[in-house]
Amino acid sequence: DGGITQSPKYLFRKEGQNVTLSCEQNLNHDAMYWYRQDPGQGLRLIYYSQIVNDFQKGDIAEGYSVSREKKESFPLTVTSAQKNPTAFYLCASKRGAFETQYFGPGTRLLVL
Amino acid sequence: GQQLNQSPQSMFIQEGEDVSMNCTSSSIFNTWLWYKQDPGEGPVLLIALYKAGELTSNGRLTAQFGITRKDSFLNISASIPSDVGIYFCAGRASGQNFVFGPGTRLSVLP
Repeated sequence: DGGITQSPKYLFRKEGQNVTLSCEQNLNHDAMYWYRQDPGQGLRLIYYSQIVNDFQKGDIAEGYSVSREKKESFPLTVTSAQKNPTAFYLCASKRGAFETQYFGPGTRLLVL
Repeated sequence: GQQLNQSPQSMFIQEGEDVSMNCTSSSIFNTWLWYKQDPGEGPVLLIALYKAGELTSNGRLTAQFGITRKDSFLNISASIPSDVGIYFCAGRASGQNFVFGPGTRLSVLP
């Protein structure tokens, strides 16, 4: 069954803690993306990667980090430097430059 | 980064009614996408548009790529309760990443 998986569904972070959100795709897509969704706002781009071992900052990269060691995996780390991390995080992927973009089911991050 | 404008922000309709919503941009786009998102879930792609003037249907949904390339429209005919959700548009200019609208929240009253 092809698709994009994100885990966990819910994640709790304590003050000063780094947490990592997982995103895996078996669609053989080249590009992968991380978005943050807050109520009443459009999706905002955190980081994206168009090829393995390469990634670029999006509009709101501060306090986040990523890696792209494998084509199918693009984990996002929310660091302690991100002062307002509570949000719904969405991972997406697409095959090439002109292809449409598909989303995973999302991870909701909450701060304790 | 750029954000798109979507209207209306929310709408309440009776089951069986038709729905229209639109998305506008200050920039010219080469691709428009429409998604539906249920609470707590990821957006699901409904329709993709690639040419100015293009009209594409997916069941009861019809979307159009505006002639000016700065807007797009989504229509839902004969709404049903499962149409409830948030509808997002996304647009992309050549060589750029997609940008997203804030969404239109649709409620269907029985």
